[in-house]
Amino acid sequence: SQQGEEDPQALSIQEGENATMNCSYKTSINNLQWYRQNSGRGLVHLILIRSNEREKHSGRLRVTLDTSKKSSSLLITASRAADTASYFCATSWAGANSKLTFGKGITLSVRP
Amino acid sequence: DTGVSQDPRHKITKRGQNVTFRCDPISEHNRLYWYRQTLGQGPEFLTYFQNEAQLEKSRLLSDRFSAERPKGSFSTLEIQRTEQGDSAMYLCASRLGDNEQFFGPGTRLTVL
Repeated sequence: SQQGEEDPQALSIQEGENATMNCSYKTSINNLQWYRQNSGRGLVHLILIRSNEREKHSGRLRVTLDTSKKSSSLLITASRAADTASYFCATSWAGANSKLTFGKGITLSVRP
Repeated sequence: DTGVSQDPRHKITKRGQNVTFRCDPISEHNRLYWYRQTLGQGPEFLTYFQNEAQLEKSRLLSDRFSAERPKGSFSTLEIQRTEQGDSAMYLCASRLGDNEQFFGPGTRLTVL
């Protein structure tokens, strides 16, 4: 079963706007990772945030983690047309061989 | 390019045929994972290797599926007597310890 659930399922914004994507999960986790996938391609790793961290930044990306609410958010600032892709959150938890459990993903469209 | 390579990138086969996919992980990564992704879904875990030992198999992995990782380097995933329901993208990922999990470009399998 897929633990992570992303919200919204689809997001369409104008270039230059910020995009916020949310992920909720059900069980305690070791870490949470966000990935990007362009149509028909492999997954590109964006950010890993551990359960004892609350916020991480990487370039135009900002990820937050709220373990009390079992949720995470990914913010992409100043979006570009090239950010158009599907975005997935993936969780792993202790004792699970660190395998990842994915949600169904969010389809982001950035209009030029 | 994440450093994880997969071969072939595309495979078209007829129902009932056997197929084998190869994954070359990042060289120092001791953990290797196989996932399967169908259209509109996130990847789902299939199996996990730590070095050469296969430590976990998903119930998705029927008896027709077998995976190996001889000498803890590359890995192969074989599907025997393919069925149309096996059509999917097969993704390989590797990681070192509890760090980021990096994915290969995937092998897209189409069973006619």
